Amino acid sequence: KNEVEQSPQNLTAQEGEFITINCSYSVGISALHWLQQHPGGGIVSLFMLSSGKKKHGRLIATINIQEKHSSLHITASHPRDSAVYICAVRRKAAGNKLTFGGGTRVLVKP
Amino acid sequence: GAGVSQSPSNKVTEKGKDVELRCDPISGHTALYWYRQSLGQGLEFLIYFQGNSAPDKSGLPSDRFSAERTGGSVSTLTIQRTQQEDSAVYLCASSSYSGLLAGSGETQYFGPGTRLLVL
Repeated sequence: KNEVEQSPQNLTAQEGEFITINCSYSVGISALHWLQQHPGGGIVSLFMLSSGKKKHGRLIATINIQEKHSSLHITASHPRDSAVYICAVRRKAAGNKLTFGGGTRVLVKP
Repeated sequence: GAGVSQSPSNKVTEKGKDVELRCDPISGHTALYWYRQSLGQGLEFLIYFQGNSAPDKSGLPSDRFSAERTGGSVSTLTIQRTQQEDSAVYLCASSSYSGLLAGSGETQYFGPGTRLLVL
């Protein structure tokens, strides 16, 4: 079993819909990252969080440390949000290296 | 300012040849990471440099893989005697992680990657 599991693996939404991507992990962590990878491969860091909730524009990330679960929400989705969203955790006592989930491929149709 | 840059952007090589991949991190970033993303697979940690400390090589898949970071800046990932299973996108990232914020870390900034194809 992978240490970081994401669901769903694929998601198709209509423009304007609310999207939720889930990430569960099985190890103790010091922080969790949400990354976005667009077609062509470039990776952008969206959020880094260790507790609570963060919001940036239409994106919201939450984490529940006790339940070892995080969610990434996209409100009022747009076709330009189409990308692979990757959850990654920084394990405690593992320096700054990341362990990655398998990614969620999101397609937003106009 | 300039982000993380990698070269070459694409590399095609023959099985058995050695390759060198280069990463230029963001100026002033003390931490540098190499990751690999194989076709259809997730991202995989390879190696991590932090300042002048010994690198964390725990993710290197075999002794054919090595990396160095000269002068605390540019890094080179070398793959010797390449195999077809080495074909992947190799990504470099850097951060300003100082170790003082123990447990919280810093945001990592990713380069565009080098797409390696071993024939």
